[in-house]
Amino acid sequence: QVTLRESGPALVKPTQTLTLTCTFSGFSLSTSAFYVSWVRQSPGKALEWLAFVDWDDDKYYSPSLKTRLAISKDTSKNQVVLTMTNMDPADTGTYYCARMLHHENYFDYWGPGMLVTVSS
Amino acid sequence: QSALTQPRSVSGSPGQSVTISCSGTSSDVGAYSYVSWYQQHPGKVPTLIIYGVTKRPSGVPDRFSASKSGNTASLTISGLRPDDEADYYCCSYAGSYITVFGTGTKVTVL
Repeated sequence: QVTLRESGPALVKPTQTLTLTCTFSGFSLSTSAFYVSWVRQSPGKALEWLAFVDWDDDKYYSPSLKTRLAISKDTSKNQVVLTMTNMDPADTGTYYCARMLHHENYFDYWGPGMLVTVSS
Repeated sequence: QSALTQPRSVSGSPGQSVTISCSGTSSDVGAYSYVSWYQQHPGKVPTLIIYGVTKRPSGVPDRFSASKSGNTASLTISGLRPDDEADYYCCSYAGSYITVFGTGTKVTVL
């Protein structure tokens, strides 16, 4: 059974760095079958892809946010970590981690999401 | 990379069909067969309903079908049901390991 779950702070202050952890089970990031990706959704807005990491530790980012994002994985812990620097109230939203299939580019399993509010 | 363009809303009566368009460019939708669609009920997690332009995951009813022509992908919901009322998002590979989502469409069952 594939599961993913996001964890991290629910509230961050403007200019702070957000660190979110995705803990997953039911698959491995040590094989060339899957990626783990982050997607966010501001309140009432559309989904926005942020980043993904693959089994080979290659990392890919949304061009519009790449200067603020860093993604990493800990295969032994089945975790993927996303950091986003210089948080702004416009970054408020629900952050999802999701599994992607290698070379298929779709998200087949999603975590429940983590609501992050940016406010002083 | 810009978001794919979807109509803000579509509506239909129970039993009718509705079609949602997803307009991209020759660099994303038009270039690859990696278009997927997601259904999201209010307050819920998105769920995959179409991948690879036309394929349905197991468990997704065949009332959901999809296609692509040029730079535009489409999702059709046939035999509209009340529980089809949700937001729908298209998604496409855009080259260079970039993924782009659509602007989202709210489907209302009248």
